[in-house]
Amino acid sequence: QKEVEQNSGPLSVPEGAIASLNCTYSDRGSQSFFWYRQYSGKSPELIMFIYSNGDKEDGRFTAQLNKASQYVSLLIRDSQPSDSATYLCAVNDGAGSYQLTFGKGTKLSVIP
Amino acid sequence: DAGVIQSPRHEVTEMGQEVTLRCKPISGHNSLFWYRQTMMRGLELLIYFNNNVPIDDSGMPEDRFSAKMPNASFSTLKIQPSEPRDSAVYFCASSLVPDRTRGEAFFGQGTRLTVV
Repeated sequence: QKEVEQNSGPLSVPEGAIASLNCTYSDRGSQSFFWYRQYSGKSPELIMFIYSNGDKEDGRFTAQLNKASQYVSLLIRDSQPSDSATYLCAVNDGAGSYQLTFGKGTKLSVIP
Repeated sequence: DAGVIQSPRHEVTEMGQEVTLRCKPISGHNSLFWYRQTMMRGLELLIYFNNNVPIDDSGMPEDRFSAKMPNASFSTLKIQPSEPRDSAVYFCASSLVPDRTRGEAFFGQGTRLTVV
């Protein structure tokens, strides 16, 4: 059973601070890793993907991957109230079928 | 492109009735996924099609659920008979694999199903 674990939160951070979201996965064969953002009542939208160990930066977002520890994280710098949402970690199963297994998400609240 | 289009957006039905959810994937995408989202279980993959062929339906909860993809631009998820525990938001997503993101999925707006 492939599993993706996230702290459900809520995670509260003040505006302007760094928000750190974490995710662990069980399948060592996983190849690609995604962070989706989901606003309440809306569909998930992709904000970052990563498939190599290390850091990947895109604007205020940085994804970090450590395959040895089976750990993925998302850092949001200069957090804004508009970042308040649920963040879903998703993992490609690595078997060539490109199915995504999702964590249950971490709810982030940025306090003005 | 209009993105993944799902219909209806909301569906309220009585227990025992048949429910059909519809999805039009992004043109050119070769993979389609049906997900179900609840507070308790999060986002669960129900079935995955590649080039219109069902590849993995192990997530389909029981025989009451069925899905078809008669062509590259249309898929349906049917529940017959429906039960209150089927109440959830059902998402359709499509992707182009393999591609540089190795499987990014684009989601439709979802169908909120309520079975009373």
